[in-house]
Amino acid sequence: RKEVEQDPGPFNVPEGATVAFNCTYSNSASQSFFWYRQDCRKEPKLLMSVYSSGNEDGRFTAQLNRASQYISLLIRDSKLSDSATYLCVVNPYYNQGGKLIFGQGTELSVKP
Amino acid sequence: NAGVTQTPKFQVLKTGQSMTLQCAQDMNHNSMYWYRQDPGMGLRLIYYSASEGTTDKGEVPNGYNVSRLNKREFSLRLESAAPSQTSVYFCASSYKTTSGSVSGAKNIQYFGAGTRLSVL
Repeated sequence: RKEVEQDPGPFNVPEGATVAFNCTYSNSASQSFFWYRQDCRKEPKLLMSVYSSGNEDGRFTAQLNRASQYISLLIRDSKLSDSATYLCVVNPYYNQGGKLIFGQGTELSVKP
Repeated sequence: NAGVTQTPKFQVLKTGQSMTLQCAQDMNHNSMYWYRQDPGMGLRLIYYSASEGTTDKGEVPNGYNVSRLNKREFSLRLESAAPSQTSVYFCASSYKTTSGSVSGAKNIQYFGAGTRLSVL
């Protein structure tokens, strides 16, 4: 089983749609959780950290369920500029140089 | 703000040639990382350096060597390139240290723009 698993998609949605991505992780001792965004042929960039209480940044909402080892990202009112690959990222290692495990990514394509 | 700078951006090698990928960060980060990204495989960690003077193997270290030259610079060397090493290589850095509290913010990794390497 992969340490971090995501549905690879692609998700094809119209502008204005709400879309949700899911991610599961295998190590119950995992410490930190993030969503990164990667545009085609570019480097990954932090979208948002994920906190246990859930957190929101504008149109983006992230949720963490430690009991189920599940992370989600909700994008409301999708824009064309949201088209990218979204990477679920987990730090399962305490005191090991901050290594992160990246999911394979979920591709989102927002159409006019 | 330069952040993480990688050179070169593109490189074509013949099988058996050697080369070094350079990475430098100006954020005073302690930890640095080298990843490769292949279609359908996601980002895979090659080597990392938790702090100046230390390096450790990641998930796919075979065929690579690294040097943490100083706090700013972390290089990746291919001694004898193989077609299987054709990939996009990313360098990253983070503040995270090997000791102390686990702070989510300190685990955030910042990436360079990548090196696209083809081995023929």
